[in-house]
Amino acid sequence: AQSVTQLGSHVSVSEGALVLLRCNYSSSVPPYLFWYVQYPNQGLQLLLKYTTGATLVKGINGFEAEFKKSETSFHLTKPSAHMSDAAEYFCAVSDLADKLIFGTGTRLQVFP
Amino acid sequence: DAGVTQSPTHLIKTRGQQVTLRCSPKSGHDTVSWYQQALGQGPQFIFQYYEEEERQRGNFPDRFSGHQFPNYSSELNVNALLLGDSALYLCASSQTQGAGANVLTFGAGSRLTVL
Repeated sequence: AQSVTQLGSHVSVSEGALVLLRCNYSSSVPPYLFWYVQYPNQGLQLLLKYTTGATLVKGINGFEAEFKKSETSFHLTKPSAHMSDAAEYFCAVSDLADKLIFGTGTRLQVFP
Repeated sequence: DAGVTQSPTHLIKTRGQQVTLRCSPKSGHDTVSWYQQALGQGPQFIFQYYEEEERQRGNFPDRFSGHQFPNYSSELNVNALLLGDSALYLCASSQTQGAGANVLTFGAGSRLTVL
């Protein structure tokens, strides 16, 4: 069975500071990994995905994530937070690339 | 491109009632998946439809059923509603072939409240 653990249900950073949202996964097969963002009263928007190939994945809005097989991690980073980054972020894993198992989410707050 | 559209956006039902939620997939997409997102939780996979057939199903009771139409749109039906069915129901569409294969596009969801 596959699973995702997101460490930290809430993360607070100052505007301009580094954003680091942690995600660890469990999968018996090579995983497909995703990060989604959810703004209030909206659906999920894909930030980035890892399927195969380069382990450092760049996404939209300046976010990137690195697949580390040895650590079973797929942490999301952004060098400089912006107020508009405040949202809920979900890490997800899939072995078929279209049935997703989501983590419980991390709420990012950005302070001026 | 209208993306994935869902209706209704909000609805209130009472226990024991039945509800139908609707989803129109993104243009060019042929697969529709449904997820339930309880308050403060991540989305949970309910089921997926492709070629008008249920292709995969998550750990949800038979009270949850669905349908896909020839135009790829889909419905989610929930019978005998329970208080615990209160959630945001998300529809996601994808295409089985091509450059964007298997990347889900989500709708804004239908928020169901069961009283």
